[in-house]
Amino acid sequence: EPEVTQTPSHQVTQMGQEVILRCVPISNHLYFYWYRQILGQKVEFLVSFYNNEISEKSEIFDDQFSVERPDGSNFTLKIRSTKLEDSAMYFCASSVSGGSTDTQYFGPGTRLTVL
Amino acid sequence: KNEVEQSPQNLTAQEGEFITINCSYSVGISALHWLQQHPGGGIVSLFMLSSGKKKHGRLIATINIQEKHSSLHITASHPRDSAVYICAVNSNSGYALNFGKGTSLLVTP
Repeated sequence: EPEVTQTPSHQVTQMGQEVILRCVPISNHLYFYWYRQILGQKVEFLVSFYNNEISEKSEIFDDQFSVERPDGSNFTLKIRSTKLEDSAMYFCASSVSGGSTDTQYFGPGTRLTVL
Repeated sequence: KNEVEQSPQNLTAQEGEFITINCSYSVGISALHWLQQHPGGGIVSLFMLSSGKKKHGRLIATINIQEKHSSLHITASHPRDSAVYICAVNSNSGYALNFGKGTSLLVTP
């Protein structure tokens, strides 16, 4: 069964460094999402992406964050200058369409630790 | 913003028990999702509901749009059902999912 994959599974970085989290969505899906979950807290929406554009973003997704689909298969989340509070599990998800009644399929997550 | 509340926060049950997890939300939605998060962190979609009731194996999900309330039921619970169950909603205006805090379920043999 097709699945969303994410790399790396765990990333450790120093505060102020740039990180890129990578995701490979399911191949026929057109809508892509990033969510994060700070330890012990609920999952929070960051951004949705369709047709090479951001379609929706949350207040969390400030100028430090960017997303890209560089090569037609990967979908990346870049954090330009990491802060301690960026430490979280980051989940990528994809769906066939962007309809609110469409199932989103989640990747296994990347645990980001900022020291 | 749509406030999503789940109850209970934690639940311990004995194998075979019937389990109910509740979710309520504050603003009208286009769809409600029930998801399962395993101890390792992975998230799996269980149901997407916009009305009525859905059943998959031992899992049943219901939604009452007028009362802004949904329930997830597990019949004949089993230790492998132990996980965090999360309710999430789509607003009428966007793609983003707004998540509840989750219900941590432990089913003991």
